[in-house]
Amino acid sequence: DAGITQSPRHKVTETGTPVTLRCHQTENHRYMYWYRQDPGHGLRLIHYSYGVKDTDKGEVSDGYSVSRSKTEDFLLTLESATSSQTSVYFCAISVTRDEQFFGPGTRLTVL
Amino acid sequence: SQKIEQNSEALNIQEGKTATLTCNYTNYSPAYLQWYRQDPGRGPVFLLLIRENEKEKRKERLKVTFDTTLKQSLFHITASQPADSATYLCALDEKGGYQKVTFGTGTKLQVIP
Repeated sequence: DAGITQSPRHKVTETGTPVTLRCHQTENHRYMYWYRQDPGHGLRLIHYSYGVKDTDKGEVSDGYSVSRSKTEDFLLTLESATSSQTSVYFCAISVTRDEQFFGPGTRLTVL
Repeated sequence: SQKIEQNSEALNIQEGKTATLTCNYTNYSPAYLQWYRQDPGRGPVFLLLIRENEKEKRKERLKVTFDTTLKQSLFHITASQPADSATYLCALDEKGGYQKVTFGTGTKLQVIP
């Protein structure tokens, strides 16, 4: 699993509340990614990071922000959660261009 | 617009047969294409990568082909086993850095004993 952990693994929250998901890696890789996975849409990139404090938007970034103050941690924040953000969120790292390693996922339900 | 298409319908095959999954793309010029396996409740796991200048790549019972003229990759599992049952995702790179890829929606494979 390339030393990737995600927390929490499951979360139920209410519309309008802020939510922060954490991705932690133990191997100091430069590139990190946040995806969401929904039926019929597959994996879609939310934000990615190419170094400490270096982040950029992906395909579906509206309503999400990220921060990376340390190499090992990449945080995804939903400033005001909406029901459309109910999804499974995956963090990934890229060691080389050849492959990405994924974390175990966080299942988020927004009521 | 860019599009990556995988058969959204599940593929059911008999154990021992060869499973063939398709990944078609439009408006991409990928330098490489990846295939991942995803089991229920888990993150995708990388299987194989094939580059644009490669026609075929093999790994044990897996074979991937890449036809940049047809804009298609085929993923084959020979001598399929029930343990091969999973969802298989293709992903194309986005030239320009940051090692980003875009994923297809995946095809669910069910190998019937």
